Amino acid sequence: ETGVTQSPTHLIKTRGQQVTLRCSSQSGHNTVSWYQQALGQGPQFIFQYYREEENGRGNFPPRFSGLQFPNYSSELNVNALELDDSALYLCASSLDRSNTGELFFGEGSRLTVL
Amino acid sequence: AQSVAQPEDQVNVAEGNPLTVKCTYSVSGNPYLFWYVQYPNRGLQFLLKYITGDNLVKGSYGFEAEFNKSQTSFHLKKPSALVSDSALYFCAVRAPSGGYQKVTFGTGTKLQVIP
Repeated sequence: ETGVTQSPTHLIKTRGQQVTLRCSSQSGHNTVSWYQQALGQGPQFIFQYYREEENGRGNFPPRFSGLQFPNYSSELNVNALELDDSALYLCASSLDRSNTGELFFGEGSRLTVL
Repeated sequence: AQSVAQPEDQVNVAEGNPLTVKCTYSVSGNPYLFWYVQYPNRGLQFLLKYITGDNLVKGSYGFEAEFNKSQTSFHLKKPSALVSDSALYFCAVRAPSGGYQKVTFGTGTKLQVIP
């Protein structure tokens, strides 16, 4: 069974640039959620994808967008990067969009915006 | 809106002693409650969950948590702490309704187990 994998693990961007982060979900999981974890904070829900559609979103602006592919892998795109976007971005997969089970997290992509 | 409070930024405990990490929550309806652990520069790992049933839930690595509906609490406990338990612990809550899993996390409690 393959776990959740994320790439890249670290990256540095400058303000105003765009970034794409990638996630492969755990085998058999059709739902992917993205979280932003700022330094010293808990993860904050960005959005969830189920069967290639966004079906839930947290309090993040439209410049945060995503995709889910037929194999359930996912991308997080952030446009017009701001300094406050510096954070650890976590991808989590789960068996289904509304089940009661736990989330399976990847190890994250650490984004630094200069 | 749902929320989680972890009142302690850090908990220090001697190895071999019992530990408690506190969590209170606010959510409409019966909650789904979770504990996760995060080691440095790593993602979160699931420890245990409460959905329904017995108020005392047992999880991974000897951890357990007690659900108290009247106090809206879900404290994490372990009878005997290990140095390897030192990590960042997050309590999380999810409302039972809705078609998606918006899980709200607390700000985390750093557990330091002293040899």
